[in-house]
Amino acid sequence: KNEVEQSPQNLTAQEGEFITINCSYSVGISALHWLQQHPGGGIVSLFMLSSGKKKHGRLIATINIQEKHSSLHITASHPRDSAVYICAVRRHSGGGADGLTFGKGTHLIIQP
Amino acid sequence: ETGVTQSPTHLIKTRGQQVTLRCSSQSGHNTVSWYQQALGQGPQFIFQYYREEENGRGNFPPRFSGLQFPNYSSELNVNALELDDSALYLCASSLRGNVLTFGAGSRLTVL
Repeated sequence: KNEVEQSPQNLTAQEGEFITINCSYSVGISALHWLQQHPGGGIVSLFMLSSGKKKHGRLIATINIQEKHSSLHITASHPRDSAVYICAVRRHSGGGADGLTFGKGTHLIIQP
Repeated sequence: ETGVTQSPTHLIKTRGQQVTLRCSSQSGHNTVSWYQQALGQGPQFIFQYYREEENGRGNFPPRFSGLQFPNYSSELNVNALELDDSALYLCASSLRGNVLTFGAGSRLTVL
């Protein structure tokens, strides 16, 4: 079983729909990242969370540390939101390494 | 403010060869981490450098090695290349513990 699980793996929706992507993890963490990866490979960091909720434009990320669960929401989705969304966690580490453990990603397609 | 740049963007090697990938960190960042992403998979953590020393490593064999230079740029070296080393190699820099900035990656094909 992977330490970071995302659902769904694939999601196709119509423009304007409200999108939710879920991430569950099984290890103790110091932070959780939501990342966006477009075709060709470039990764953009969307959020880094250690508690609560963050909002940036149409994107909202929440985390529940007790339940080891995080969600990424996209409001008023648009075709340009089509990308792979990846959840990654930074484990509690005595060495302080920032190396992340990644989920496999959610492939989102927004149709016009 | 410059971002993270990686070179080369694409390269092809044969089994048994050695490869060096390079990464220039974002200005002001003192930590660099490297990741391997196989096709259709999420990235896997290779190792991290902080102030020129390796301070974390994932489940990768010793033939994966690295360096960080005084200007915080970094290299990833892979010796004795295997077919399974074919992947996108991503570099990310950060000010330790903060948000990571990723490069566009170096796509390595091993024939």
